[in-house]
Amino acid sequence: GENVEQHPSTLSVQEGDSAVIKCTYSDSASNYFPWYKQELGKRPQLIIDIRSNVGEKKDQRIAVTLNKTAKHFSLHITETQPEDSAVYFCAASKANSGGYQKVTFGTGTKLQVIP
Amino acid sequence: DTAVSQTPKYLVTQMGNDKSIKCEQNLGHDTMYWYKQDSKKFLKIMFSYNNKELIINETVPNRFSPKSPDKAHLNLHINSLELGDSAVYFCASSQEVPRGSPYEQYFGPGTRLTVT
Repeated sequence: GENVEQHPSTLSVQEGDSAVIKCTYSDSASNYFPWYKQELGKRPQLIIDIRSNVGEKKDQRIAVTLNKTAKHFSLHITETQPEDSAVYFCAASKANSGGYQKVTFGTGTKLQVIP
Repeated sequence: DTAVSQTPKYLVTQMGNDKSIKCEQNLGHDTMYWYKQDSKKFLKIMFSYNNKELIINETVPNRFSPKSPDKAHLNLHINSLELGDSAVYFCASSQEVPRGSPYEQYFGPGTRLTVT
């Protein structure tokens, strides 16, 4: 099955600095890579996603890059703010034997933005 | 209006008991999921249903039995609860049309289960 590794497990940055979270996946059949943000005590929510036919995607202060050859993808947050503090999960999704998408999550990165 | 809702939000029970968690989505999605998030925050898929049909069944003890009466509801029944079942259980839904096309998953607020 798919295996998704995520690093670092914790990350502290000063407000205004950039934060980078990296993930690797094992199955080259994975074709969809979402990133979820989970604030303390809340539900995970999608912040950005990228499909395997795209190398980079940006949405204001967040961007995701995908390197299919190396099987890794990264989340970049620029000009971090205290409200960016949360746990971030990467994920890789591919069709299972029945043709349905199955999502495998990374282990999460706890980001702390220090004011 | 809440898109994906779960009840109860908190569940405290003793070992050996049987309990159920209910999930409903009003997004018109055809696929629903149950995830378990343990104390280390790992999010692991347990089950997935598409139009009331079980499509993903991970290595989960038989004590866990999902039921989907219709495509808007996915309930989770747990028999003979054990200490290790303590976790937050998230329900989620997505629209997988056409089949195999990946889309965003919308999560419910979670149910914190504590087994004493």
